[in-house]
Amino acid sequence: QKEVEQNSGPLSVPEGAIASLNCTYSDRGSQSFFWYRQYSGKSPELIMFIYSNGDKEDGRFTAQLNKASQYVSLLIRDSQPSDSATYLCATDSWGKLQFGAGTQVVVTP
Amino acid sequence: GAVVSQHPSRVICKSGTSVKIECRSLDFQATTMFWYRQFPKQSLMLMATSNEGSKATYEQGVEKDKFLINHASLTLSTLTVTSAHPEDSSFYICSASFGTAKNIQYFGAGTRLSVL
Repeated sequence: QKEVEQNSGPLSVPEGAIASLNCTYSDRGSQSFFWYRQYSGKSPELIMFIYSNGDKEDGRFTAQLNKASQYVSLLIRDSQPSDSATYLCATDSWGKLQFGAGTQVVVTP
Repeated sequence: GAVVSQHPSRVICKSGTSVKIECRSLDFQATTMFWYRQFPKQSLMLMATSNEGSKATYEQGVEKDKFLINHASLTLSTLTVTSAHPEDSSFYICSASFGTAKNIQYFGAGTRLSVL
């Protein structure tokens, strides 16, 4: 069983709409959760991190964490073509990041 | 802030040669640096974790004699792929963390290695 699971997509989102990305994890001991954006051929770029249950907003991005359900999500509001990328979910496990395989998002004009 | 520089960005080499990749933290002292490998359409796989002045800790299945890691200072870590073979062709990415927020990692731009 993979430790961090994401739907691979692609997730097609009309420009201006909300993109909703989901991630589940298996390690109940995980305390920190991260969302990275990775453009094709580039390295990951940190978008947000969240430690506590609930929502955390940063600009057009909102991360949501539910530790009881072992679930973390990312919402992208007012999606733009520049948001087209692969989004990686990661959890901290004993000081190391465990990455999901990523969800590809395609924002269509 | 928190800029990580990685060089070279791309390298093409012949089978059997060794390749060195550098990872530098430009505006902070990196207490810990990480090396990842990413194959096409796959996620990042951690290869090793290194702390300044100590030996790197390798993940299971990663050959430490093939992937030599040196973390000589708080701003520089190097990965040397020794006797590279075509199956070592991949995207190698370093990251660094600092201070109390050790689990927040900042990534270098990555090195695409192609072994002919």
